Amino acid sequence: NAGVTQTPKFQVLKTGQSMTLQCAQDMNHEYMSWYRQDPGMGLRLIHYSVGAGITDQGEVPNGYNVSRSTTEDFPLRLLSAAPSQTSVYFCASRTTVLAGTTDTQYFGPGTRLTVL
Amino acid sequence: GNSVTQMEGPVTLSEEAFLTINCTYTATGYPSLFWYVQYPGEGLQLLLKATKADDKGSNKGFEATYRKETTSFHLEKGSVQVSDSAVYFCALGGRDDKIIFGKGTRLHILP
Repeated sequence: NAGVTQTPKFQVLKTGQSMTLQCAQDMNHEYMSWYRQDPGMGLRLIHYSVGAGITDQGEVPNGYNVSRSTTEDFPLRLLSAAPSQTSVYFCASRTTVLAGTTDTQYFGPGTRLTVL
Repeated sequence: GNSVTQMEGPVTLSEEAFLTINCTYTATGYPSLFWYVQYPGEGLQLLLKATKADDKGSNKGFEATYRKETTSFHLEKGSVQVSDSAVYFCALGGRDDKIIFGKGTRLHILP
């Protein structure tokens, strides 16, 4: 299994540009999520999905869209990039939707995004 | 709402020193508790977990005990190595779908 994969690893955008961060998992996990990691802020949840066709907002959803057309893929779209979106983005997945279980959450290697 | 508070870093120790990273939480009900580790340039990996009061999670020489009476889940290791240098995140999973992370503690181990 490849686990959770993310592309690209690095990206530089200009303000106002749009792009999609790709995330895929081959573990047949129901639950997938996107986090951003900023210095001193830890990880903050952007959007999550409990299954194909179902998405919901996390703590910091503004400026981002997601969709879940298949179990495997969960892309994150930046509609009009802003410097405040400069961050490291992590995709994660786990087996079940219940966070209170012992299921391990698996993380991708991250995408480092810079918006000029 | 649910929240996690962990000690701010960076924490700098000499090799073979004893490590404690404090973590306390606020949650309704009985959450599961986790420690994740992030090595330089990588994503987060689960280090250990505990699902109920008095459970002890352990892995790679690290331990943490779920203390409901003090709402704590402190991470400990008896003798740290240079290879333990990383960022450590305390996290909780409550009754909803989300896992809440602390802000992370950067650990530097000097040879």
